[in-house]
Amino acid sequence: AQSVSQHNHHVILSEAASLELGCNYSYGGTVNLFWYVQYPGQHLQLLLKYFSGDPLVKGIKGFEAEFIKSKFSFNLRKPSVQWSDTAEYFCAAAGNNNDMRFGAGTRLTVKP
Amino acid sequence: DGGITQSPKYLFRKEGQNVTLSCEQNLNHDAMYWYRQDPGQGLRLIYYSQIVNDFQKGDIAEGYSVSREKKESFPLTVTSAQKNPTAFYLCASSISRGGSKNIQYFGAGTRLSVL
Repeated sequence: AQSVSQHNHHVILSEAASLELGCNYSYGGTVNLFWYVQYPGQHLQLLLKYFSGDPLVKGIKGFEAEFIKSKFSFNLRKPSVQWSDTAEYFCAAAGNNNDMRFGAGTRLTVKP
Repeated sequence: DGGITQSPKYLFRKEGQNVTLSCEQNLNHDAMYWYRQDPGQGLRLIYYSQIVNDFQKGDIAEGYSVSREKKESFPLTVTSAQKNPTAFYLCASSISRGGSKNIQYFGAGTRLSVL
Protein backbone atom coordinates (compact mmCIF):
# COMPACT_ATOMS: atom_id res chain seq x y z
CA ALA A 1 0.00 0.00 0.00
CA GLN A 2 1.13 3.54 -0.69
CA SER A 3 2.37 5.26 2.42
CA VAL A 4 4.64 7.96 3.75
CA SER A 5 6.64 7.61 6.96
CA GLN A 6 8.14 10.32 9.08
CA HIS A 7 10.21 8.83 11.83
CA ASN A 8 10.79 11.90 13.95
CA HIS A 9 7.67 12.88 15.85
CA HIS A 10 9.13 15.77 17.83
CA VAL A 11 12.50 17.39 17.31
CA ILE A 12 13.92 20.00 19.64
CA LEU A 13 16.88 22.09 18.52
CA SER A 14 18.67 25.22 19.59
CA GLU A 15 18.95 28.13 17.20
CA ALA A 16 21.75 27.76 14.63
CA ALA A 17 21.70 23.96 14.87
CA SER A 18 21.40 21.98 11.66
CA LEU A 19 18.17 20.20 10.85
CA GLU A 20 17.39 16.99 9.03
CA LEU A 21 13.89 15.50 9.07
CA GLY A 22 13.45 12.04 7.67
CA CYS A 23 10.81 11.03 5.14
CA ASN A 24 10.41 7.65 3.45
CA TYR A 25 7.74 6.69 0.97
CA SER A 26 6.38 3.42 -0.30
CA TYR A 27 5.27 3.89 -3.91
CA GLY A 28 5.89 2.08 -7.15
CA GLY A 29 6.58 3.96 -10.35
CA THR A 30 6.66 7.71 -10.70
CA VAL A 31 6.36 9.68 -7.51
CA ASN A 32 5.96 13.38 -6.81
CA LEU A 33 7.21 14.50 -3.40
CA PHE A 34 6.35 17.46 -1.22
CA TRP A 35 7.15 19.03 2.10
CA TYR A 36 4.47 21.18 3.70
CA VAL A 37 4.82 23.33 6.81
CA GLN A 38 2.21 24.43 9.33
CA TYR A 39 3.33 27.37 11.45
CA PRO A 40 1.38 27.92 14.68
CA GLY A 41 -2.01 29.40 13.85
CA GLN A 42 -1.35 29.49 10.11
CA HIS A 43 -2.43 27.60 7.01
CA LEU A 44 -0.59 24.53 5.86
CA GLN A 45 1.69 25.77 3.09
CA LEU A 46 4.06 24.28 0.54
CA LEU A 47 7.73 24.38 1.51
CA LEU A 48 9.19 22.61 -1.52
CA LYS A 49 8.40 19.96 -4.12
CA TYR A 50 10.10 17.44 -6.37
CA PHE A 51 8.65 16.24 -9.68
CA SER A 52 11.70 15.39 -11.78
CA GLY A 53 15.22 16.56 -12.62
CA ASP A 54 17.81 17.63 -10.05
CA PRO A 55 17.19 15.49 -6.96
CA LEU A 56 18.30 18.32 -4.69
CA VAL A 57 15.49 20.83 -4.48
CA LYS A 58 15.49 24.14 -2.73
CA GLY A 59 12.46 25.70 -1.12
CA ILE A 60 11.53 28.78 0.79
CA LYS A 61 13.29 30.06 3.91
CA GLY A 62 16.54 28.21 3.24
CA PHE A 63 15.10 24.70 3.30
CA GLU A 64 16.19 21.99 0.89
CA ALA A 65 15.39 18.35 0.35
CA GLU A 66 17.14 15.53 -1.44
CA PHE A 67 15.34 12.80 -3.36
CA ILE A 68 17.26 9.53 -3.08
CA LYS A 69 15.44 7.02 -5.23
CA SER A 70 17.43 4.00 -4.04
CA LYS A 71 16.49 4.75 -0.45
CA PHE A 72 12.90 5.85 -1.16
CA SER A 73 13.70 8.95 0.85
CA PHE A 74 13.08 12.69 0.63
CA ASN A 75 14.69 14.17 3.72
CA LEU A 76 14.31 17.83 4.58
CA ARG A 77 17.37 19.83 5.63
CA LYS A 78 18.32 23.29 6.79
CA PRO A 79 21.88 24.20 7.76
CA SER A 80 20.97 26.61 10.55
CA VAL A 81 17.50 26.80 12.09
CA GLN A 82 15.87 29.88 13.55
CA TRP A 83 13.30 30.25 16.29
CA SER A 84 10.78 31.17 13.56
CA ASP A 85 11.15 27.68 12.05
CA THR A 86 9.15 26.27 14.96
CA ALA A 87 6.28 24.51 13.21
CA GLU A 88 4.93 21.14 12.18
CA TYR A 89 6.38 19.66 9.00
CA PHE A 90 4.59 17.17 6.77
CA CYS A 91 6.07 15.07 4.02
CA ALA A 92 3.68 14.01 1.23
CA ALA A 93 3.86 11.86 -1.87
CA ALA A 94 1.66 11.34 -4.91
CA GLY A 95 2.07 8.43 -7.28
CA ASN A 96 0.81 7.40 -10.70
CA ASN A 97 -2.81 7.39 -9.57
CA ASN A 98 -2.36 10.90 -8.11
CA ASP A 99 -3.42 9.77 -4.63
CA MET A 100 -1.53 12.03 -2.27
CA ARG A 101 -0.53 10.58 1.08
CA PHE A 102 0.81 12.57 4.02
CA GLY A 103 3.16 11.47 6.73
CA ALA A 104 2.21 11.78 10.39
CA GLY A 105 4.14 15.03 10.71
CA THR A 106 7.17 16.13 12.70
CA ARG A 107 6.87 18.86 15.27
CA LEU A 108 9.96 21.05 15.36
CA THR A 109 10.65 23.23 18.38
CA VAL A 110 13.55 25.66 18.10
CA LYS A 111 14.76 27.08 21.38
CA PRO A 112 16.03 30.68 21.25
CA ASP B 1 -7.53 38.21 -2.18
CA GLY B 2 -7.34 34.68 -3.58
CA GLY B 3 -7.47 31.59 -1.48
CA ILE B 4 -9.51 29.02 0.33
CA THR B 5 -11.99 30.00 2.98
CA GLN B 6 -13.24 27.53 5.54
CA SER B 7 -16.03 28.27 7.97
CA PRO B 8 -16.72 28.16 10.77
CA LYS B 9 -13.39 28.15 12.53
CA TYR B 10 -14.84 26.24 15.49
CA LEU B 11 -17.89 23.98 15.46
CA PHE B 12 -19.60 21.97 18.13
CA ARG B 13 -21.76 18.96 17.42
CA LYS B 14 -24.34 17.36 19.64
CA GLU B 15 -24.87 13.61 19.70
CA GLY B 16 -26.93 12.45 16.72
CA GLN B 17 -26.58 15.72 14.88
CA ASN B 18 -25.33 16.29 11.34
CA VAL B 19 -23.10 19.31 10.82
CA THR B 20 -21.80 20.89 7.63
CA LEU B 21 -18.39 22.47 7.16
CA SER B 22 -18.04 25.05 4.44
CA CYS B 23 -15.15 25.33 1.97
CA GLU B 24 -15.01 27.97 -0.76
CA GLN B 25 -12.17 28.72 -3.16
CA ASN B 26 -11.67 31.54 -5.64
CA LEU B 27 -8.54 30.10 -7.25
CA ASN B 28 -10.49 28.62 -10.19
CA HIS B 29 -9.15 25.19 -9.25
CA ASP B 30 -10.85 22.08 -10.60
CA ALA B 31 -9.86 19.72 -7.79
CA MET B 32 -10.86 20.01 -4.15
CA TYR B 33 -10.17 17.83 -1.13
CA TRP B 34 -11.19 17.26 2.46
CA TYR B 35 -8.72 15.97 5.02
CA ARG B 36 -8.99 15.10 8.66
CA GLN B 37 -6.00 15.91 10.89
CA ASP B 38 -5.54 14.07 14.16
CA PRO B 39 -2.50 14.43 16.43
CA GLY B 40 0.22 11.97 15.46
CA GLN B 41 -1.65 10.76 12.38
CA GLY B 42 -1.03 13.48 9.87
CA LEU B 43 -3.65 14.23 7.24
CA ARG B 44 -6.04 11.56 6.05
CA LEU B 45 -8.13 12.01 2.92
CA ILE B 46 -11.90 11.93 3.42
CA TYR B 47 -13.24 12.85 -0.02
CA TYR B 48 -11.99 14.52 -3.16
CA SER B 49 -13.56 16.02 -6.25
CA GLN B 50 -11.85 16.43 -9.58
CA ILE B 51 -14.65 18.32 -11.26
CA VAL B 52 -18.10 19.73 -10.62
CA ASN B 53 -20.77 17.12 -9.89
CA ASP B 54 -18.18 14.42 -9.33
CA PHE B 55 -16.52 13.24 -6.13
CA GLN B 56 -14.74 10.16 -4.87
CA LYS B 57 -14.21 8.56 -1.48
CA GLY B 58 -10.85 8.84 0.15
CA ASP B 59 -9.38 6.60 2.82
CA ILE B 60 -11.80 7.45 5.63
CA ALA B 61 -15.11 8.41 3.98
CA GLU B 62 -17.41 6.51 6.33
CA GLY B 63 -19.67 8.86 8.27
CA TYR B 64 -19.07 11.78 5.92
CA SER B 65 -20.77 13.13 2.81
CA VAL B 66 -19.94 15.86 0.30
CA SER B 67 -21.39 17.66 -2.68
CA ARG B 68 -19.82 19.62 -5.53
CA GLU B 69 -22.59 21.61 -7.19
CA LYS B 70 -20.35 24.58 -7.93
CA LYS B 71 -16.70 24.76 -8.86
CA GLU B 72 -15.97 27.13 -5.98
CA SER B 73 -17.67 25.15 -3.23
CA PHE B 74 -17.10 21.73 -1.65
CA PRO B 75 -19.04 21.41 1.63
CA LEU B 76 -18.46 18.48 3.96
CA THR B 77 -21.23 17.04 6.14
CA VAL B 78 -20.22 15.10 9.22
CA THR B 79 -23.14 12.77 9.83
CA SER B 80 -24.32 11.13 13.02
CA ALA B 81 -22.81 7.90 11.69
CA GLN B 82 -19.32 9.30 12.30
CA LYS B 83 -18.70 8.10 15.85
CA ASN B 84 -15.46 9.95 16.46
CA PRO B 85 -15.81 13.30 14.71
CA THR B 86 -13.63 15.39 17.00
CA ALA B 87 -10.74 16.53 14.80
CA PHE B 88 -9.29 19.36 12.78
CA TYR B 89 -10.70 19.41 9.24
CA LEU B 90 -8.73 20.86 6.35
CA CYS B 91 -9.99 21.71 2.89
CA ALA B 92 -7.59 21.99 -0.02
CA SER B 93 -7.68 22.64 -3.74
CA SER B 94 -5.36 22.16 -6.71
CA ILE B 95 -5.44 23.15 -10.37
CA SER B 96 -6.15 19.52 -11.15
CA ARG B 97 -5.37 16.17 -9.65
CA GLY B 98 -2.68 15.17 -12.07
CA GLY B 99 1.07 15.30 -11.84
CA SER B 100 2.72 18.67 -11.47
CA LYS B 101 -0.65 20.40 -11.14
CA ASN B 102 -1.39 18.52 -7.95
CA ILE B 103 0.10 21.18 -5.68
CA GLN B 104 -2.51 21.57 -3.02
CA TYR B 105 -3.42 24.84 -1.31
CA PHE B 106 -5.04 24.67 2.09
CA GLY B 107 -7.61 26.58 4.05
CA ALA B 108 -7.23 27.59 7.70
CA GLY B 109 -9.25 24.63 8.93
CA THR B 110 -12.30 23.95 11.08
CA ARG B 111 -11.97 22.45 14.53
CA LEU B 112 -14.94 20.22 15.30
CA SER B 113 -15.74 19.10 18.82
CA VAL B 114 -18.50 16.94 20.23
CA LEU B 115 -20.58 18.30 23.11
